[in-house]
Amino acid sequence: EAQVTQNPRYLITVTGKKLTVTCSQNMNHEYMSWYRQDPGLGLRQIYYSMNVEVTDKGDVPEGYKVSRKEKRNFPLILESPSPNQTSLYFCASSDNRDGYTFGSGTRLTVV
Amino acid sequence: AQTVTQSQPEMSVQEAETVTLSCTYDTSESDYYLFWYKQPPSRQMILVIRQEAYKQQNATENRFSVNFQKAAKSFSLKISDSQLGDAAMYFCAYRRGPGAGNMLTFGGGTRLMVKP
Repeated sequence: EAQVTQNPRYLITVTGKKLTVTCSQNMNHEYMSWYRQDPGLGLRQIYYSMNVEVTDKGDVPEGYKVSRKEKRNFPLILESPSPNQTSLYFCASSDNRDGYTFGSGTRLTVV
Repeated sequence: AQTVTQSQPEMSVQEAETVTLSCTYDTSESDYYLFWYKQPPSRQMILVIRQEAYKQQNATENRFSVNFQKAAKSFSLKISDSQLGDAAMYFCAYRRGPGAGNMLTFGGGTRLMVKP
């Protein structure tokens, strides 16, 4: 089954404790991206990757890092999480022809 | 930069009735894609319908159809014969045309409630 798998589904952490949210896709898509969803703001892009070792900032990249060492994986790293990064996060992948396939989301709470 | 606006934070509809969700966008490009995504309480983002800007014919998918007005930069979603399972957040999204990058720009969302 074609899918994007992200983990964990829920995460509660404390301010300043580094964390990683994993994302993996099995569709051989070149393009992957991370979004955060906040009430009233919709989804906003954090970072994206056009291919292996090619990443770039989206609209809200501050406080986040990403890496793309393999085509299938695109982890999101929060080096020093803060409460304003409490949000719902989505990983997504896409080919160049059609829409996106989204992961099931990660609900992150930073206290 | 492209922007997408959904002016209705919440809408409600009686079961079996028809409802229209509004979306407007701003772009200077002539070739692009527009989407409606549904997000039920499970949080999964589900593609409802897709429209290519170069196509004049409005897209339809079963009970879902769009009214695409390119000159007015309007892209509304009509849901006919509403069902309880249609209750969800709905997001309108814009993507630039082929070769211009894959980023989706989303509106703020409309929460649709369906009354039995």
